[in-house]
Amino acid sequence: QKEVEQNSGPLSVPEGAIASLNCTYSDRVSQSFFWYRQYSGKSPELIMSIYSNGDKEDGRFTAQLNKASQYVSLLIRDSQPSDSATYLCAVRYRNTGNQFYFGTGTSLTVIP
Amino acid sequence: NAGVTQTPKFQVLKTGQSMTLQCAQDMNHNSMYWYRQDPGMGLRLIYYSASEGTTDKGEVPNGYNVSRLNKREFSLRLESAAPSQTSVYFCASSEATGNGYTFGSGTRLTVV
Repeated sequence: QKEVEQNSGPLSVPEGAIASLNCTYSDRVSQSFFWYRQYSGKSPELIMSIYSNGDKEDGRFTAQLNKASQYVSLLIRDSQPSDSATYLCAVRYRNTGNQFYFGTGTSLTVIP
Repeated sequence: NAGVTQTPKFQVLKTGQSMTLQCAQDMNHNSMYWYRQDPGMGLRLIYYSASEGTTDKGEVPNGYNVSRLNKREFSLRLESAAPSQTSVYFCASSEATGNGYTFGSGTRLTVV
């Protein structure tokens, strides 16, 4: 089983809709979770982090963590064409020291 | 504020040649990292430095060496380049090892 799995997409949503991006991870003891956005040909940019079960909101972004089901998701409300990018999920496991494992990313296209 | 600066941005090497990728950060971060990104593989950690004076192997260290020259600078060396090392290389830094990363703009390396 891969450490972190994401549906590669592409995921297409109309402008103004809610985009839902999902990430599942292995059953090792996980510690922290991050979402990054990567535009084509650019470097990843940190969007937000989440450490405990539940929801965490930051502007139009909401991260959701469910450790029992081993998934973390990112919701983007009022999606804009500028949100079109690849979204990377990263997980840090307690027993792997300082290493983050990244998913391969989900490509999102917001259609005007 | 430049953030994380990587040089060069592009490089073509012949098999067997050596080169050093340079990385510098001006955010006074303690931890620095080298990742490679390949299609379908996601970001994979090559080496990291939790703090000045320390370096550790990541997921894919073979064929690479690193030097944490000082708190600001972390270099990655390919001693004898191989076509399998064709990739996009990202340097990143964080305040501490559990924090989110700031990435450099990347180096696109082709080994022929």
